Amino acid sequence: DTEVTQTPKHLVMGMTNKKSLKCEQHMGHRAMYWYKQKAKKPPELMFVYSYEKLSINESVPSRFSPECPNSSLLNLHLHALQPEDSALYLCASSLGADLTYEQYFGPGTRLTVT
Amino acid sequence: DAKTTQPTSMDCAEGRAANLPCNHSTISGNEYVYWYRQIHSQGPQYIIHGLKNNETNEMASLIITEDRKSSTLILPHATLRDTAVYYCLVSESARQLTFGSGTQLTVLP
Repeated sequence: DTEVTQTPKHLVMGMTNKKSLKCEQHMGHRAMYWYKQKAKKPPELMFVYSYEKLSINESVPSRFSPECPNSSLLNLHLHALQPEDSALYLCASSLGADLTYEQYFGPGTRLTVT
Repeated sequence: DAKTTQPTSMDCAEGRAANLPCNHSTISGNEYVYWYRQIHSQGPQYIIHGLKNNETNEMASLIITEDRKSSTLILPHATLRDTAVYYCLVSESARQLTFGSGTQLTVLP
């Protein structure tokens, strides 16, 4: 199984809502990542988890809250988002974070904030 | 600061080799060159990476110049399914990938 799955595929939420994005992999990878991608722009790294511990937070606003309950699962909790947070949110995983391992990406969750 | 520069777009005829250039003149000794691609509305896909030597896998070949300041990704027989944005990145490790603007490759029938 070389797949990273993300749910939901699409999400529409209001600015006062609380929602969560979910990412799962069963490849035994110990590093997981969240990226944000605006239309016609490259992906931007948000968070890196290594061995279930947050190792990089790229100055992301606190309305985005990551969680890694176990080595296979990564969540992104969303609260009080702004319309400019509408984007494709991509999850990725790799065998480790410290060497030159390839990252496997999921298909993304397309988020619209109204 | 952009670590890599790539042409904005390129066209290639189906069945021909696609050669995608990348400049990374400030690359440090510990940084690898990675290539990923992103087909429209999908997540990025890893293609290949290398440090100094040329590399080849089932998808592509990576040619790195001797001074390591530039590289070329070669898709030997491009198909319509290879139409995508191709990203060249330099990084010491998996955790430090920073995507630049990439090259939109369009394979023409």
